[in-house]
Amino acid sequence: AQSVTQLDSQVPVFEEAPVELRCNYSSSVSVYLFWYVQYPNQGLQLLLKYLSGSTLVKGINGFEAEFNKSQTSFHLRKPSVHISDTAEYFCAVSNNNDMRFGAGTRLTVKP
Amino acid sequence: KAGVTQTPRYLIKTRGQQVTLSCSPISGHRSVSWYQQTPGQGLQFLFEYFSETQRNKGNFPGRFSGRQFSNSRSEMNVSTLELGDSALYLCASSWGPGQGLTGELFFGEGSRLTVL
Repeated sequence: AQSVTQLDSQVPVFEEAPVELRCNYSSSVSVYLFWYVQYPNQGLQLLLKYLSGSTLVKGINGFEAEFNKSQTSFHLRKPSVHISDTAEYFCAVSNNNDMRFGAGTRLTVKP
Repeated sequence: KAGVTQTPRYLIKTRGQQVTLSCSPISGHRSVSWYQQTPGQGLQFLFEYFSETQRNKGNFPGRFSGRQFSNSRSEMNVSTLELGDSALYLCASSWGPGQGLTGELFFGEGSRLTVL
């Protein structure tokens, strides 16, 4: 079975600074990778996904992620964050039958 | 287009009681998955239903059960509630079977259960 590790439980950053949220996965088969965002008192919303093709994936709100097969990583990046990016971010892996989520990273953007 | 709707949004129960949560998927979606979200355990997969059949099940005790109706609406039931069942229960829908088959799960806002 696949699993996901989000290396940072909390990431504080100042507004307009760059940010990277780290995600590593393990799986014995090919997988699909996702990043979801959860704003307070809301459900999860898809930010971006990697299914195949280009390893650099662009998502909504200026986020992007790079799939690195050799390092089994799928880190999320944004060059300049806004206060409104404050939320919980979840990395997820799916083998097309079973989706597993990481424990989440709480991104706090400070003015 | 309406999103995934979960009811009730908030509820309080006492130990030993049972609870039923409801989920209406996006129109046209036939797969419904349920997750339990807690601060300590994160998002844990409960089960998935497709075309009224349970297709996949997570590692939860038998007190947790679910079903899906012919209109794709789903309910989950927790019997003999325990304090540890306090959590946000999230429902997600997708077009076809398999979580992430089309690359995306559409989540509802969740039902927050507090067990006293």
